[in-house]
Amino acid sequence: DGGITQSPKYLFRKEGQNVTLSCEQNLNHDAMYWYRQDPGQGLRLIYYSQIVNDFQKGDIAEGYSVSREKKESFPLTVTSAQKNPTAFYLCASSIDGVRTYEQYFGPGTRLTVT
Amino acid sequence: AQSVAQPEDQVNVAEGNPLTVKCTYSVSGNPYLFWYVQYPNRGLQFLLKYITGDNLVKGSYGFEAEFNKSQTSFHLKKPSALVSDSALYFCAVSPKYFGNEKLTFGTGTRLTIIP
Repeated sequence: DGGITQSPKYLFRKEGQNVTLSCEQNLNHDAMYWYRQDPGQGLRLIYYSQIVNDFQKGDIAEGYSVSREKKESFPLTVTSAQKNPTAFYLCASSIDGVRTYEQYFGPGTRLTVT
Repeated sequence: AQSVAQPEDQVNVAEGNPLTVKCTYSVSGNPYLFWYVQYPNRGLQFLLKYITGDNLVKGSYGFEAEFNKSQTSFHLKKPSALVSDSALYFCAVSPKYFGNEKLTFGTGTRLTIIP
């Protein structure tokens, strides 16, 4: 999984609670991404950041928030406003965000909300 | 809007036989095309990409893919399958000159290699 760590691997939360997923990379990549993976679906982009202190909404940003205060870190908060938060969350990085370079993915966090 | 189709949810191949995982795409202009592989409960791993140039692209673990512009396809192939190739494979497309924020993934094809 090449230099990207995500923690925890499994996360359980009660409905109505916010939860933050960690993503750290030591690849010196400028761009970082958060995806959501559901069974039988492709990956869907939640948020992305092309550079420190800047981030943009992806296709399914509602109910999520992010920050990018350091180049190596891009935490994702799943808020209580996210209607269906149970999913497998993947963090990725690429050399930069200007072009479609290959991405390096972390091992993922499986979030279960009951 | 761009899209990726992986028409087979499941592909079964006997060990030692050639394998093909199909992908067709729709995008405005010229595409960037990728194949990624995912092992159970793991993140995706990059296999290969087509950006420009030779239509036959070689990647990791003996995999290759052929870009066919007229058929808008980018099928993944390997001459001789291994049991360790069993995994979930994703095709992805992005319009040229954009970043990964425009990358669209297919729904995945589960490849099972039968010993």
